[in-house]
Amino acid sequence: GAVVSQHPSWVICKSGTSVKIECRSLDFQATTMFWYRQFPKQSLMLMATSNEGSKATYEQGVEKDKFLINHASLTLSTLTVTSAHPEDSSFYICSARLDRGPLPNRREQYFGPGTRLTVT
Amino acid sequence: AQKVTQAQTEISVVEKEDVTLDCVYETRDTTYYLFWYKQPPSGELVFLIRRNSFDEQNEISGRYSWNFQKSTSSFNFTITASQVVDSAVYFCAPMGANTDKLIFGTGTRLQVFP
Repeated sequence: GAVVSQHPSWVICKSGTSVKIECRSLDFQATTMFWYRQFPKQSLMLMATSNEGSKATYEQGVEKDKFLINHASLTLSTLTVTSAHPEDSSFYICSARLDRGPLPNRREQYFGPGTRLTVT
Repeated sequence: AQKVTQAQTEISVVEKEDVTLDCVYETRDTTYYLFWYKQPPSGELVFLIRRNSFDEQNEISGRYSWNFQKSTSSFNFTITASQVVDSAVYFCAPMGANTDKLIFGTGTRLQVFP
């Protein structure tokens, strides 16, 4: 259980175009999902917290208008990188948190396989 | 806010050796959680363990064991009889009880050679 998928697994796009990445919880409901970015050989940096039915909460320094997040259902969150530039090239990872179960269990995040974005 | 230090950037061992990955954290929360995740070359993070701050018992799961020392704010991870498949980047991540945010350390890259 607790499987999270991401689509696409990799994408190459031209500078100035927009790219949408999907994150789905396959076998559980997730009111809350998270989006991370990871540059090569670096740690994961939290970009934003995605909440179903409400606006995402962005971390300091993350441009809301550039990284659009939509969490339209209990199993799907999308991240759209608008007007992508080469510096946006990175590994984008989403995670989902269980909605049910004992509180400590609901602290666990289950990660998707990641999406490698290359902007040329 | 939480902060975590994984001082070992890279560790190389030969198969069957034991290896310990260090994790030192900082937190002002009295209640918090500590996590370890594994990131193999494929990129997907694999959840290994969650430890609650009020439970200081050490835990063993097969070849994996964790040593939680609240007095020194450390949560070290030991792999016994390492295998090539253990090669990955391992992240330690604390989380305050009143937040959803995982604060990832810089990770330790473990390479296990045959």
